[in-house]
Amino acid sequence: DQQVKQNSPSLSVQEGRISILNCDYTNSMFDYFLWYKKYPAEGPTFLISISSIKDKNEDGRFTVFLNKSAKHLSLHIVPSQPGDSAVYFCAARFSGANNLFFGTGTRLTVIP
Amino acid sequence: EAGVVQSPRYKIIEKKQPVAFWCNPISGHNTLYWYLQNLGQGPELLIRYENEEAVDDSQLPKDRFSAERLKGVDSTLKIQPAELGDSAVYLCASSRGDRIGREQFFGPGTRLTVL
Repeated sequence: DQQVKQNSPSLSVQEGRISILNCDYTNSMFDYFLWYKKYPAEGPTFLISISSIKDKNEDGRFTVFLNKSAKHLSLHIVPSQPGDSAVYFCAARFSGANNLFFGTGTRLTVIP
Repeated sequence: EAGVVQSPRYKIIEKKQPVAFWCNPISGHNTLYWYLQNLGQGPELLIRYENEEAVDDSQLPKDRFSAERLKGVDSTLKIQPAELGDSAVYLCASSRGDRIGREQFFGPGTRLTVL
């Protein structure tokens, strides 16, 4: 059973607009969440993360929001750029553990 | 700093043949992971090494899959015999493993096609 879910397989956004990628999880014991970005024929690369003790983390154009009560997190990209076009994976980790549990990914297309 | 290196990048074999994938992690990273990524899915952990010890291999199908990390650096993942359903991308990742350096860095993967 999938403990981390990304229900939108794809998203298209105009350049300069906001991209919002969503992720839900089922296990309340997860305490650390990450977003990875993947270009074709490359491995996933780390983008941004958030600890469960926070509800927001910002890094440049990227902001991750965490709603623990809803078991939901989202990644906001503002402004979106064509180079952001990639597959974005949400991942979660238990406290003190190294193993990551990934969602199925959302393919973001930023239209110039 | 060199990233995680994997070879081959692509492999096409016939079913029932053996196949092996190689991974060289980032220097100094004592934790190494092998993931399986099926089409349209996220990576799923197969095995995790801390140095040369496999500390989590609960998701590794041991009847046909094996892995080793003899000197705690490079690692090899083997499938024997391969089945049609093994067609996927096999990703290797590494991390420092300590609490501060647990971020995982991924290699480009090996895309396996079993005919």
